[in-house]
Parts: sequence; structure tokens; C-alpha cells
Amino acid sequence: EVQLLESGGGLVQPGGSLRLSCAASGFTFSSYALSWVRQAPGKGLEWVSAISGNGGSTWYADSVRGRFTISRDSSKNTVYLQMNSLRAEDTAIYYCAKDRNFPNDQFDYWGQGTLVTVSS
Amino acid sequence: DIQMTQSPSSLSASVGDRVTITCQASQDIRNYLNWYQQKPGKAPKLLIYDASNLETGVPSRFSGSGSGTDFTFTISSLQPEDIATYYCQKHNNLPLFGPGTKVDIK
Repeated sequence: EVQLLESGGGLVQPGGSLRLSCAASGFTFSSYALSWVRQAPGKGLEWVSAISGNGGSTWYADSVRGRFTISRDSSKNTVYLQMNSLRAEDTAIYYCAKDRNFPNDQFDYWGQGTLVTVSS
Repeated sequence: DIQMTQSPSSLSASVGDRVTITCQASQDIRNYLNWYQQKPGKAPKLLIYDASNLETGVPSRFSGSGSGTDFTFTISSLQPEDIATYYCQKHNNLPLFGPGTKVDIK
């Protein structure tokens, strides 16, 4: 059974940093791209970032490029999202999602999400 | 940049009704269009991929059609458990979600 378990969310001040983790199980970790998708309170879904199965390619939304960094550790079956220079508009539930076949095609499994709140 | 729109933004329908949601891309995206269902407090769930393919395990009352810039998502007979927000998502180049359509029971 595919499982994605996010952690690392919390309250952080504007300008601060936070690292999210997504522990994956139930599939061959290195064979699939993984993505982060966020949802601000009461708002729609926004794709944030993706990383290929071997970690060699990464993609970012314009809204986070230069501030967020995605990475993965195949020894721990975990993908990370390092978030720096956080802004109030980054407040959201952050979901980890598995790409179905190719990077950025469909998201067939999702975690339960972790809440990030950026506020002073 | 490609923009995605959905209509309506919300709708109310009776159990058993046929429900149709449209999604429009500002440029041709061929069939690179997916549909998700999100129930309150839950993560989204993939229902339809590549415009018209039903994800494994998804009830057959859900269907999708279209190509190019205009797409349609249909629930053939609305059930109480279908109360949710539905999002389209393009996947040519980088992913982009539509703004969503909230469906509830009249």
C-alpha cells in the first residue's frame, strides 16, 4: 500500500525557514517523481515543486523559485522541501504527492498534508 | 502562461441528477488534463487522467471528455458521497490546477 507521510509543518515568523519531510513507502521510491502541492486556507490547489525519481531534475512554481528547494534521500525514502524567506502568503497545507508515471503528469497518491503558518 | 478556468464555481443539484463541470485552457493542451475530487478536510483524489481515462477503482458514474482547450467532467447520477470540490489540472509542461467547482446537494 502506497503511503506518504508529511511532517515538519508549524508556525514560523515571516522571513524564517522550515523544512518539510515526506516519508514514502509501498512503492519503488527511486522510480517515481514526487511533488509538493499546497492549499491556502479556504483556497484552491497550487502545485509548488517536483523532483524526478533519481533526483537529477527539479521543477518549481514561479511563486517559490529561489526560496524553496526540493530534494530527496533514497536511503530514507524521503523527499524534502526546504522553505526559506517565508512570507504570509506561503501559509497553507502542504501535500506530498506521487507522480503517476512521469514527472508532473498526474498525482495518484497524496499524503494527509502538513500545515505551515507564517505569522508574527 | 496558460490559464485554467472552471465553470461554474459552485452548483447545487439533487441526488440522481446529471452534473456537468467545464474546464477551459487558454491554449491548446491536447488531452493533458486531469480531474480530482477533494472532500472537506481531505487530500485530493485522482478521478480522471488524460481527459477521459477513469482511474482504477473510481465509480463509472464519473467521466471526462474533451481535448485542446475545452474539457467536460460529468457525474451521471449525483450521489450524496459526491459532495466535494472538483479541480481540473493541466499537465503539459508544469502542472496547473483550475480554481475548482464546489458541488453540494440541493
